[in-house]
Amino acid sequence: QQKVQQSPESLTVSEGAMASLNCTFSDGTSDNFRWYRQHSGKGLEMLVSIFSDGEKEEGRFTAHLNRASLHVSLHIREPQPSDSAVYLCAVRPNYNVLYFGSGTKLTVEP
Amino acid sequence: EAAVTQSPRNKVTVTGGNVTLSCRQTNSHNYMYWYRQDTGHGLRLIHYSYGAGNLQIGDVPDGYKATRTTQEDFFLLLELASPSQTSLYFCASSGGLGENTGQLYFGEGSKLTVL
Repeated sequence: QQKVQQSPESLTVSEGAMASLNCTFSDGTSDNFRWYRQHSGKGLEMLVSIFSDGEKEEGRFTAHLNRASLHVSLHIREPQPSDSAVYLCAVRPNYNVLYFGSGTKLTVEP
Repeated sequence: EAAVTQSPRNKVTVTGGNVTLSCRQTNSHNYMYWYRQDTGHGLRLIHYSYGAGNLQIGDVPDGYKATRTTQEDFFLLLELASPSQTSLYFCASSGGLGENTGQLYFGEGSKLTVL
C-alpha cells in the first residue's frame, strides 16, 4: 500500500514570492506523480503530471521528482492570492489508481 | 468536458442509518472511484471499479459496500452508518490512468453527516 505524506501542512507566502511544497512516498516503483489543487468547496484540478526524474513545468507550476529519494516537490512561481487553495500530491503505483497525500493549505497574501 | 454527477450533495443521517451515495458519469469511462476526504488525511480511496459488475477494494473499505450496476453508475452504500463516516465523499471516473495524459474527473462531492 502506497503511503503519501505532504509537508508542510500549511504555508503562507507573500504575493510574488516562490512557494515550495513537498511530498514523500513509500514505493519507489510508482511511475507517475501528480499535483492537484482544490479551491475551497470545489473539486480537484490537476496542475502537473511527471513521469521521469528531473523537472516538469506547466506554466507557473514546476514539479521536481527524485525517485531515489522518494520525493516530489511543487514550486509555484509568482503566486497570486487566487492560488490560495489546498494542494494535493498523488502517486500512481499502477495503471488503475491514484493515492493522495493529506494536502498542504497554501495562503497567498497580497 | 467530462461530467461526473453525485447525489445527494448533502445528507444527514443518524448512527445505524442506511445511506446510499450515487454517482453517474456520462463519459463512457471504464474506471470509477469513491474517495473520502477528511482534514489531515487528504483523499483516501474506498472502492473502485473497472466495469459493470466489477469491484476493487481500496485503502479504507471497512464499513462500506459499493456496486457498479452499469458503466455509468457507481453506488456507495453505508448500511450501518457511524459518526466516523462523517466526511466529504468524492466520486471520480477515468478512461484509464495508464495513458500519459490519463486524468481523473471528479464530481462535486457529497457531504455526509452521521449524528
